[in-house]
Amino acid sequence: GENVEQHPSTLSVQEGDSAVIKCTYSDSASNYFPWYKQELGKGPQLIIDIRSNVGEKKDQRIAVTLNKTAKHFSLHITETQPEDSAVYFCAASIGGNQFYFGTGTSLTVIP
Amino acid sequence: DTEVTQTPKHLVMGMTNKKSLKCEQHMGHRAMYWYKQKAKKPPELMFVYSYEKLSINESVPSRFSPECPNSSLLNLHLHALQPEDSALYLCASSQGPQGGSGNTIYFGEGSWLTVV
Repeated sequence: GENVEQHPSTLSVQEGDSAVIKCTYSDSASNYFPWYKQELGKGPQLIIDIRSNVGEKKDQRIAVTLNKTAKHFSLHITETQPEDSAVYFCAASIGGNQFYFGTGTSLTVIP
Repeated sequence: DTEVTQTPKHLVMGMTNKKSLKCEQHMGHRAMYWYKQKAKKPPELMFVYSYEKLSINESVPSRFSPECPNSSLLNLHLHALQPEDSALYLCASSQGPQGGSGNTIYFGEGSWLTVV
């Protein structure tokens, strides 16, 4: 089955700096890659996703890049703010109902 | 409106109790999921219902019993749980298995379960 690795497990940045979280996947058939943000005590919230026919997608301060050849995808957050502090999970899917999650990155933005 | 509603938000139950977690979505989604999440870990898939039929059971112990009364509702019945079952239980929904490349799944806020 699919295996998704996520790095780093913890990340601290100064407010205003950029943060980058990277995930790699093993199954070349994976074609959909969502990112979730989970704040303390809440459920995961979808923040951005990318499909395999696209190399990059941006939504305001958040962007995701996908390298199908290398089988990795990354989340980029620019101009970080304290409210960006949360746990971020990447995931990969080959379609249907199966999603494989990364192990999570705890992001702390220091004011 | 991408909203999955879960009740209760918090539940404390004894090991001999019977309780249920409830989930509702009104997005017309045809797939619904139960996930279990321990602190600082990713969600772990428990069950998937597709078109109101159980399609995936990830070898979950029988003390967890899912039910899908209709396409908008999903229940998780709990009986004779163990303290190690204490966790955040997440309900999610997606368009369905025929959604092609990438069914976006949307999570509820979860039900915090404590087994004493």
